[in-house]
Amino acid sequence: QVQLQESGPGLVKPSETLSLTCTVSGYSISSGYYWGWIRQPPGKGLEWIGSIYHSGSTYYNPSLKSRVTISVDTSKNQFSLKLSSVTAADTAVYYCARIAVAGTSYYFDYWGQGTLVTVSS
Amino acid sequence: DIQMTQSPSSLSASVGDRVTITCQASQDISNYLNWYQQKPGKAPKLLIYDASNLETGVPSRFSGSGSGTDFTFTISSLQPEDIATYYCQHLLTFGGGTKVEIK
Repeated sequence: QVQLQESGPGLVKPSETLSLTCTVSGYSISSGYYWGWIRQPPGKGLEWIGSIYHSGSTYYNPSLKSRVTISVDTSKNQFSLKLSSVTAADTAVYYCARIAVAGTSYYFDYWGQGTLVTVSS
Repeated sequence: DIQMTQSPSSLSASVGDRVTITCQASQDISNYLNWYQQKPGKAPKLLIYDASNLETGVPSRFSGSGSGTDFTFTISSLQPEDIATYYCQHLLTFGGGTKVEIK
């Protein structure tokens, strides 16, 4: 059974960098699939942040691209998110997910439970 | 960019009712449309992929149809455990969500 678990600080100060890690169990990241981050501000909808392939190729939401870095560590079966220069607008529940891709078929088939990150001084 | 417009934004129905949610794409997306269920405080769960394929383990009362720009998600007989917000998704864009409540 594929499982994903987010970890990282729940409180980040404005202008600092948000850092989260997703640990995958039940499947080896290096075996394939894309892996991604999605966020959900309180009471709002879902926003894709970015995705990474096991080879390290990355794809970012254009609206966040200048502030986002996603990386993968296949030795630890983890991938990570860094979001710089955060503001209160970045307060959200952050989810990691596995992404099934076949041509233009693209869907999130396994999700972590999510972690709330609050940006506040 | 392709926009996904979901309607209604919320609905209230009785147990046993047939519930329908629609999702419209701003351009032809073939059948590349997926549906998720999100219960309060939980992560989204994939229900339907590629417009009409039921994810393994999902009850058969859930179904999806459509192609091109217009898609439909249906719950054939609403159950109390179906109370949730439902989202459509194409590539990296999610619809705005439909909150389903019991009347």
